[in-house]
Amino acid sequence: DIVMTQSPESLAVSLGERATINCKSSRSLLYSSNNKNFLAWYQQKPGQPPKLLISWASTRESGVPDRFSGSGSGADFTLTISSLQAEDVAIYYCHQYYNSPLTFGGGTKVEIK
Amino acid sequence: EVQLVESGGGLVQPGGSLRLSCSASGFTFSRFWMNWVRQAPGKGLEWVANIKQDGSEKYYVGSVKGRFTISRDNAKNSVYLEMNSLRAEDTALYYCAREGEASDFWSGYLHWGRGTLVTVSS
Repeated sequence: DIVMTQSPESLAVSLGERATINCKSSRSLLYSSNNKNFLAWYQQKPGQPPKLLISWASTRESGVPDRFSGSGSGADFTLTISSLQAEDVAIYYCHQYYNSPLTFGGGTKVEIK
Repeated sequence: EVQLVESGGGLVQPGGSLRLSCSASGFTFSRFWMNWVRQAPGKGLEWVANIKQDGSEKYYVGSVKGRFTISRDNAKNSVYLEMNSLRAEDTALYYCAREGEASDFWSGYLHWGRGTLVTVSS
């Protein structure tokens, strides 16, 4: 099974400052036939289902603010919130869909400092 | 508008069975893989199972293999999760989820239901 390791577990950032979340997979998620990384990022707020922010490691979903960006390739990935807003307080998960069993990272809780 | 509505959750004793349903609307159901993802209270997300468009391929997380069965009925726009030999550790909110695009490849889950709660306890 591919293990997804997120860091840090929690993060407190001042409003307007940058938040950076890391995700490391136990094997490469880069699929050679289409040169895409099979990794997504989600945001989950209390009492709500997860919301897809980014697919293919760096493709932002429609309607997601451009302060959210994804980067990385292979086995190391990063979600960056360039200027934290109050509404960004949530838990963030990475997710590999490279092969079965599909797996999620343990989550990173983002709070306001 | 894509809608996924789960049902069938409830309280069940250890060793018992439950059948979850997910009713889909707003898209051509038969074009998409469908997924079940669960979340134990206060915990993270765990993918449970998925099923190919025509039902010919099914995949499961190891902890449920042999106990859970995913199936679908494209005529009824529904996907199911038959859960047997339930354990306390199966207690979770079970979400039905769909990828963003119909494709030969899996991708991120753009659409989610609100979930149905399964509680396994004596």
